[in-house]
Amino acid sequence: DVKVTQSSRYLVKRTGEKVFLECVQDMDHENMFWYRQDPGLGLRLIYFSYDVKMKEKGDIPEGYSVSREKKERFSLILESASTNQTSMYLCASLEAGSGQPQHFGDGTRLSIL
Amino acid sequence: QKEVEQNSGPLSVPEGAIASLNCTYSDRGSQSFFWYRQYSGKSPELIMSIYSNGDKEDGRFTAQLNKASQYVSLLIRDSQPSDSATYLCAVSEDSNYQLIWGAGTKLIIKP
Repeated sequence: DVKVTQSSRYLVKRTGEKVFLECVQDMDHENMFWYRQDPGLGLRLIYFSYDVKMKEKGDIPEGYSVSREKKERFSLILESASTNQTSMYLCASLEAGSGQPQHFGDGTRLSIL
Repeated sequence: QKEVEQNSGPLSVPEGAIASLNCTYSDRGSQSFFWYRQYSGKSPELIMSIYSNGDKEDGRFTAQLNKASQYVSLLIRDSQPSDSATYLCAVSEDSNYQLIWGAGTKLIIKP
């Protein structure tokens, strides 16, 4: 079974802080994704990575950056947290090859005060 | 703009009945189709994938795909209260690894 681990289930930070969300997968997957999920808006892609040190912007990258220094780890960074970044953040990984499903971590519910 | 559409619900179904969830997609190049279940406050979990026209059965779940009409559906037989969740439909082209997500249908199974 694929195991995707997100570092925190719940996190509370203050406006202006730099926030790091960590995600680790144990299946040697090439592709990793960061989404945020808000009520009524569904899953929105922030960034994804298809290889170490490679990253691509998703639909809503503004205010975020990512880092992928090792294949198993994909970090999401909120450079200067704002209240509108309060959300559920979901990390997913995907094996290379067509038709594979994404596998999710448990999610991080982030509150910015 | 590639889109995946689902009725947001809630869809209320009596326990023991068949729940039918539908999803339409806009991109004719789509090749892979997934149903995820998401309980409140939890992350999505994969329950079914389907790649070719027709039906695919797994226990109480049946996924149906019709590429000509661009829809995919999920049937849940003998619905249980534990099936109450939001069901997300996701579609991919395979030429890239991104999924296009529907907003989800909230299903409520009434005892």
